[in-house]
Amino acid sequence: SQQGEEDPQALSIQEGENATMNCSYKTSINNLQWYRQNSGRGLVHLILIRSNEREKHSGRLRVTLDTSKKSSSLLITASRAADTASYFCATDRKSSASKIIFGSGTRLSIRP
Amino acid sequence: DAGVTQSPTHLIKTRGQQVTLRCSPKSGHDTVSWYQQALGQGPQFIFQYYEEEERQRGNFPDRFSGHQFPNYSSELNVNALLLGDSALYLCASSQMLAGGDEQYFGPGTRLTVT
Repeated sequence: SQQGEEDPQALSIQEGENATMNCSYKTSINNLQWYRQNSGRGLVHLILIRSNEREKHSGRLRVTLDTSKKSSSLLITASRAADTASYFCATDRKSSASKIIFGSGTRLSIRP
Repeated sequence: DAGVTQSPTHLIKTRGQQVTLRCSPKSGHDTVSWYQQALGQGPQFIFQYYEEEERQRGNFPDRFSGHQFPNYSSELNVNALLLGDSALYLCASSQMLAGGDEQYFGPGTRLTVT
């Protein structure tokens, strides 16, 4: 079963705009990670945020975590065509060490 | 420094057959996890191997089995293939002593069962 659920399922924006994706989860976590996947190939790790952190930045990426609401958001600023991909959140649950559970993903399309 | 490699890239099998998929972890990594990703879905955790033993297992039947070798590489075996086993199979490696949080994924093996 899925632990995380991304919202929206699909997002289409103009190049240069910001893209925001949300992830909600059900149980307490150790950390939450965001991954990118191009064209059904391997996943690329983007960023990890631990349960005691609220915000993290990496280049054009900004991730927030609200453990009280069991939710996270991924913001991609100044989007580029190369950002077109599926984005997944993955949670490492406290009740189950080292088993990462993925959501169903957000498909992001950047229009030129 | 080679990343995670998987073989083969694509595979077509018939219902009832058996298949073996292979994974070599990133240099320096000792833990291998396997995931099944159906079209349009997120990856589903199958199992994880560390020190040549299965440490964690997801909700998959016994038809799915694995092995880890002394050089940390791993195999995923699926017996009595069903049409529903058609998916992208992803291998991910990590380093247990580093917390095992950050996983590096291979490009995947696309299995089609006819």
